[in-house]
Amino acid sequence: EVQLVESGGALVQPGGSLRLSCAASGFSFSNYYIHWVRQAPGKGLVWVSDMHGGGGGITYADSVRGRFTISRDSAKNTIYLEMNNLTGDDTAVYFCARGTTGWRGVDYWGQGTLVTVSS
Amino acid sequence: DVVLTQTPLSTPVTLGQPASISCRSSQSLVYSDGNTHLSWLQQRPGQPPRLLIYKVSNRFSGVPDRFSGSGAGTDFTLKISRVEAEDVAVYYCMQATHIPHTFGQGTKLEIK
Repeated sequence: EVQLVESGGALVQPGGSLRLSCAASGFSFSNYYIHWVRQAPGKGLVWVSDMHGGGGGITYADSVRGRFTISRDSAKNTIYLEMNNLTGDDTAVYFCARGTTGWRGVDYWGQGTLVTVSS
Repeated sequence: DVVLTQTPLSTPVTLGQPASISCRSSQSLVYSDGNTHLSWLQQRPGQPPRLLIYKVSNRFSGVPDRFSGSGAGTDFTLKISRVEAEDVAVYYCMQATHIPHTFGQGTKLEIK
């Protein structure tokens, strides 16, 4: 069974940093992209970043480029999202989702982890 | 970035009746491989999104056949043939043809 489990969400002050984790299981991690998508309270979905589980293939949304860094630990089948210089606009539930093979998109999603940026 | 515009933003539907949601793209979603990478997602209250339809018209594993997708180029439609209570959710179209991937604003389906 494909599973994605996010963790690391917390309340953080403006200007602060946080690292989110996405632990993957039930599939061959190194063969898939993992995406981060966020959803501000009561709002829609916004794609943030992605990375190939085998390394490389990194892209970022303009709104986070230079502040967020995506990385992986292949031994732990885990993708990380390091977030720096956080602002209130970064307040959201952060989902990780598995990229697809054979077609472009995402198929399985985690339950999400809440990041709140507030003083 | 590609803008996806969904209509309507809210749709009240009687149980057992059909529902239809439109998604219009600001650019063609035909990829260099000849495929159109437009998906539909369902997000029930308090839940993460769930994939319903991929590549315009392909139902994902476990999705009931009352859900169908159609369209081409820049205009796409999600149809539910007979709405059930469990279909109450926000529905999003998503394009993965262009980087960055983008989503429509969402359409809230409610029971009338």
